[in-house]
Amino acid sequence: DVKVTQSSRYLVKRTGEKVFLECVQDMDHENMFWYRQDPGLGLRLIYFSYDVKMKEKGDIPEGYSVSREKKERFSLILESASTNQTSMYLCASSLAQTGTGDHYGYTFGSGTRLTVV
Amino acid sequence: LAKTTQPISMDSYEGQEVNITCSHNNIATNDYITWYQQFPSQGPRFIIQGYKTKVTNEVASLFIPADRKSSTLSLPRVSLSDTAVYYCLVGRMDSNYQLIWGAGTKLIIKP
Repeated sequence: DVKVTQSSRYLVKRTGEKVFLECVQDMDHENMFWYRQDPGLGLRLIYFSYDVKMKEKGDIPEGYSVSREKKERFSLILESASTNQTSMYLCASSLAQTGTGDHYGYTFGSGTRLTVV
Repeated sequence: LAKTTQPISMDSYEGQEVNITCSHNNIATNDYITWYQQFPSQGPRFIIQGYKTKVTNEVASLFIPADRKSSTLSLPRVSLSDTAVYYCLVGRMDSNYQLIWGAGTKLIIKP
């Protein structure tokens, strides 16, 4: 019954490593999102994508990049991991707006807890 | 974008009805209200969404007064498994990504 799958639940990486976080959804959703969640700071949007090969910066894109080559897959890349990127990373997807006022909620994955040492 | 204000935490007992109120004084005409539930070490889960009046589904009800400056999530007959953090969000109908996540309300259900 899993609809948004994140490749790893826990990940430990070294400072300076290039890190790939993968997210796959099976609901044919147009929109996909990457958030990070930190205690006291809530969920903060890193990047989102509303179509294949399209991407938009969120609130905290610095140090991250994304890739969306296929509709169902959205990857988050940490170009050179740093200790301040230790966090819970959450991927989400949603249907696109129809313009009728209908809206559909986000479906989140279970998250990847990344520790950078 | 309208910012939301919720209580930081609430306690209740099994079998009770729990109401969590969210304030969003600056809500715009084309904003909708959505509630999510999050358990530890999991992603948030969509609970309910509304624009005005009352919305009910199999897990909760959402009450929105006419001025839409607040909303109340109502959980009927809670159980221990309803212990979680509940987020109230306000977002534009013309955008899928303009959401502001607050700190949420930590709800603790006691036996």
